[in-house]
Formats: sequence, C-alpha cells, structure tokens
Amino acid sequence: QVQLVESGGGVVQPGRSLRLSCTGSGFSFSNYAMHWVRQAPGKGLEWLAIIWYDGNTRFYVDSVKGRFTISRDNSKNTLFLQMNSLRVEDTAVYYCAKDRGSGTYYYFDFWGQGTLVTVSS
Amino acid sequence: QSVLTQPPSASGTPGQRVTISCSGSGSNIGSNTVNWYQQLPGTAPKLLINSNKERPSGVPDRFSGSKSGTSASLAISGLQSEDEADYFCAAWDDRLNAVVFGGGTQLTVL
Repeated sequence: QVQLVESGGGVVQPGRSLRLSCTGSGFSFSNYAMHWVRQAPGKGLEWLAIIWYDGNTRFYVDSVKGRFTISRDNSKNTLFLQMNSLRVEDTAVYYCAKDRGSGTYYYFDFWGQGTLVTVSS
Repeated sequence: QSVLTQPPSASGTPGQRVTISCSGSGSNIGSNTVNWYQQLPGTAPKLLINSNKERPSGVPDRFSGSKSGTSASLAISGLQSEDEADYFCAAWDDRLNAVVFGGGTQLTVL
C-alpha cells in the first residue's frame, strides 16, 4: 500500500531554515510527480510546489518563490522541501502528496500524515 | 483570499442531499479538471472526486461531482454523520502555473 511519511518539522525562529523530508513506499516513486501542500492552523489548504518525476521541472506558489526549494532523490524514494528565511506566517502543517501522473498536475491521489512547522521567536 | 470560491459552510440532516459549489475562472476550472478532497477532523485530506466526476476506489457512490464552464459542484446524497468534514476543491491554473484550492466548506450534519 502507498505510504508517505513526512519528517523534519519542529519549532524554528523567524529568519532561520528548515528542511522537510517525505519518504514514499508502496509505489514506484521515480515515476510520479510529487507536491508539498500546507495548512495553517484553522485555515484551508495552500499548495506550495510540484516537482516532476525526474526532478527537471518545478513550479512554486508566489508566496514561497525564492525562499523554498523542492527537490527529490529518486534513489532514496525521498522528497524534500528546503525552507529558508522562514516567517511567522509559514507556521503550518506541511503535507507531501503524490500525484497520479508523472508531470503536470492531475490530482493528489495519496497524502502523508503531515509534519508541523512552527515559526516563533 | 482563495482563487477558487466555495461557501464557508453547509449543513443538512441525515438522509438529505447537500451540494457544495466551487467557482473559478477560465484559467483554472474553465481549462482544467476539478478535484475534490475530504478532510475529516484531525486527519490529512483524502481524494474524494477526481477529474470532475470520477470516484476513486472505495468512495461511496453517494458522492458525485460535476463541472460546467467555470464552476463545479460536489453533491452528497443520503447524508450520514460520518460525512461531517471539510471539503476542498482544487484545479490547475494555467495563468499562475500553480494548483489553486477553494477556501474549503465545513459540512455539518445536524
């Protein structure tokens, strides 16, 4: 069965960095596009970024462009989100999600359980 | 302010039929398929409807989706208490090169 497990969340001060990881199993990780989606406390879902199956194409939401970087290591079935210059408003649960396709968004057919990032001084 | 517009809340009694709307524009719903996600309290979202009207395996046929022009709808018939959740629509936006979500609709079963 498909499993996505996020890790790396925690409490971090404004302006600092954090790297999230998401390890996939139960499917051919290297064949699928992957996404990061976040949800601030009590708020809705916000899509952050997509990386195509081979890592060669990435898109970001404007609010994180230049601060966050999505990447993947297909040899380790792992997706990453490098978050720099963190702000209080980046506080959220961060989910990784598998796409049904290899590139271009189709839909998120599986989600991880999420990891909480709290940005606070 | 979400790119896709959903009503913040909806409600119904057990057995009723409820619909949730999702309104967008030509660059998102008008050009691409709509997907719906269900988020039960305290859990991660789950795919409910993909490609406007397709139900993934395991999703009851009480749930149905439709799309017309730049709007989409999710219908839930035979409402059950376990349907109490937040529902989100989403689509790719060709102008933003991004996935855009609706703000979510909190469904209460009275």
